[in-house]
Amino acid sequence: DVKVTQSSRYLVKRTGEKVFLECVQDMDHENMFWYRQDPGLGLRLIYFSYDVKMKEKGDIPEGYSVSREKKERFSLILESASTNQTSMYLCASTYLSGNTIYFGEGSWLTVV
Amino acid sequence: AQTVTQSQPEMSVQEAETVTLSCTYDTSENNYYLFWYKQPPSRQMILVIRQEAYKQQNATENRFSVNFQKAAKSFSLKISDSQLGDTAMYFCAFMNLGSIQGAQKLVFGQGTRLTINP
Repeated sequence: DVKVTQSSRYLVKRTGEKVFLECVQDMDHENMFWYRQDPGLGLRLIYFSYDVKMKEKGDIPEGYSVSREKKERFSLILESASTNQTSMYLCASTYLSGNTIYFGEGSWLTVV
Repeated sequence: AQTVTQSQPEMSVQEAETVTLSCTYDTSENNYYLFWYKQPPSRQMILVIRQEAYKQQNATENRFSVNFQKAAKSFSLKISDSQLGDTAMYFCAFMNLGSIQGAQKLVFGQGTRLTINP
């Protein structure tokens, strides 16, 4: 069974902390994506990657960075968490053909 | 830049009625996919229907069908004989397949919260 796994479902962090959100897929997908989901704003693309060590900025990259050292793992990093980064973060992956998207279960981050 | 717009934040219909959700998108590309995803309260994303841009025929999946107007960049979802289980957030999404590696951006709209009333 195909899987996209997000390491943490619920996190509470303090302002200024460094936060790592991990996403692992077991399907050898080239493309991986990180979104945040907020009420009324839908899913907004933060960063995406199409290969190891390759990354591209999405629509709201400010305050975030990413790492893709291995094909199966795509990490989202909040260098210094702020309260306005409290959100649900969703990871997704696809093959280059793009015809099927697989999603993780989401990570709920609260920054206090 | 690719953008997806869903202009209806919320919709509500009676069970068994037909409802249409709107979606428009903006792109200069020719090769792309369009999707409708359903997100129930569990937050798991469920594929409703997919349309390849090169196909002129509108995609259908049982009670779900789309009206794909490529020139107008419109991709609406019609749900026939709506059921209580259709109550969810619905997202329209666009994926540019691109001609070179690295150009495949997957973009979602703001979502439409659909409520089916008994």
